[in-house]
Amino acid sequence: DGGITQSPKYLFRKEGQNVTLSCEQNLNHDAMYWYRQDPGQGLRLIYYSQIVNDFQKGDIAEGYSVSREKKESFPLTVTSAQKNPTAFYLCASHLSSYNSPLHFGNGTRLTVT
Amino acid sequence: DQQVKQNSPSLSVQEGRISILNCDYTNSMFDYFLWYKKYPAEGPTFLISISSIKDKNEDGRFTVFLNKSAKHLSLHIVPSQPGDSAVYFCAASLPSGGSNYKLTFGKGTLLTVNP
Repeated sequence: DGGITQSPKYLFRKEGQNVTLSCEQNLNHDAMYWYRQDPGQGLRLIYYSQIVNDFQKGDIAEGYSVSREKKESFPLTVTSAQKNPTAFYLCASHLSSYNSPLHFGNGTRLTVT
Repeated sequence: DQQVKQNSPSLSVQEGRISILNCDYTNSMFDYFLWYKKYPAEGPTFLISISSIKDKNEDGRFTVFLNKSAKHLSLHIVPSQPGDSAVYFCAASLPSGGSNYKLTFGKGTLLTVNP
């Protein structure tokens, strides 16, 4: 059963700690994305990667880092430099064919206190 | 600068009636538009899309209309069902040919369908 798996569903961290959110896909998609959702803000793009070992900053990349060592995996690290890390984080992927829709995972709710 | 705008944060309709969700965009270079549906604590799911070369696309109860001159698109749901109650996001992309493809989302509209 193909899909995108984000783990864990809920994550709690103390302020000042880095935390890594997992995203794995078995759809054989080339491109992967990280979005952040805040109440009333819609979805904002953090980072994206079109191929392995390459990624680009999105609109709100500050305080985040990513890696793309394998096609299936695109982990997101929320660093202590991110000023407002508490949010709902969504990972997505799609085939690199023209205009194929993004498929999303079920998200990770990160709470930093 | 918000390039994709959904000006109605919420919409309430009666079951069986039509739901119309609206979306405006400012970047005339956008050439592909999508609607996603999202339940709380879940990821968005793709509903329907439209290319800028068309003005209408239909899939079952869902129809998307595109008015390029007005930079406006709308999603019609007929008939509306209680299970349609969710947040609906409009999204747009620039021509990319597959590379550098990314979606710009609106802030969403919460649709409530009352039995």
